[in-house]
Amino acid sequence: KNEVEQSPQNLTAQEGEFITINCSYSVGISALHWLQQHPGGGIVSLFMLSSGKKKHGRLIATINIQEKHSSLHITASHPRDSAVYICAVKDRGSTLGRLYFGRGTQLTVWP
Amino acid sequence: NAGVTQTPKFRVLKTGQSMTLLCAQDMNHEYMYWYRQDPGMGLRLIHYSVGEGTTAKGEVPDGYNVSRLKKQNFLLGLESAAPSQTSVYFCASIAGGPGNEQFFGPGTRLTVL
Repeated sequence: KNEVEQSPQNLTAQEGEFITINCSYSVGISALHWLQQHPGGGIVSLFMLSSGKKKHGRLIATINIQEKHSSLHITASHPRDSAVYICAVKDRGSTLGRLYFGRGTQLTVWP
Repeated sequence: NAGVTQTPKFRVLKTGQSMTLLCAQDMNHEYMYWYRQDPGMGLRLIHYSVGEGTTAKGEVPDGYNVSRLKKQNFLLGLESAAPSQTSVYFCASIAGGPGNEQFFGPGTRLTVL
């Protein structure tokens, strides 16, 4: 079983600040997902990556496979970024697609 | 495309009652999953299915049963609800192979009194 740890658990920021959320995992993986969950509960996929870096608008996700670590960055944060951000990993060699999830990081951005 | 839908959105049960949660996807996905989300914990896998007519146990299957009679539907049943099953339940499906993005339903908030 892959142990997925996220930090911090809670994060408060002022609008415009640069945000970093970290994720580490214990066992080799084939893919890592960053998910966003808004109040009201729906979960959407932000990124799926297995190496390097991906960028979508103000969001950037990076992964270091050797260090078993990933970061999610938000540039120029905005109150609408307030949500829970969840890291999830798929074990290398798994043919079932099942994910192991971190506990999430609650981000609040104040105007 | 409606994506992944879940029925109902909210439900309150009394201990010992039974109910079925329905997950439906219109994307022709093979793989489908049921998760539960509890405060302070990551999502945990209850049951999953890798195709029509197949189901398997996940991390926390006790007290639940599932069926996948049609490819587009994945049903989660609680035969005798317990307060420990109070949770938010999410269904998800995967496009193509197991290495691809998961699409989540909107969730079902279940309270067992």
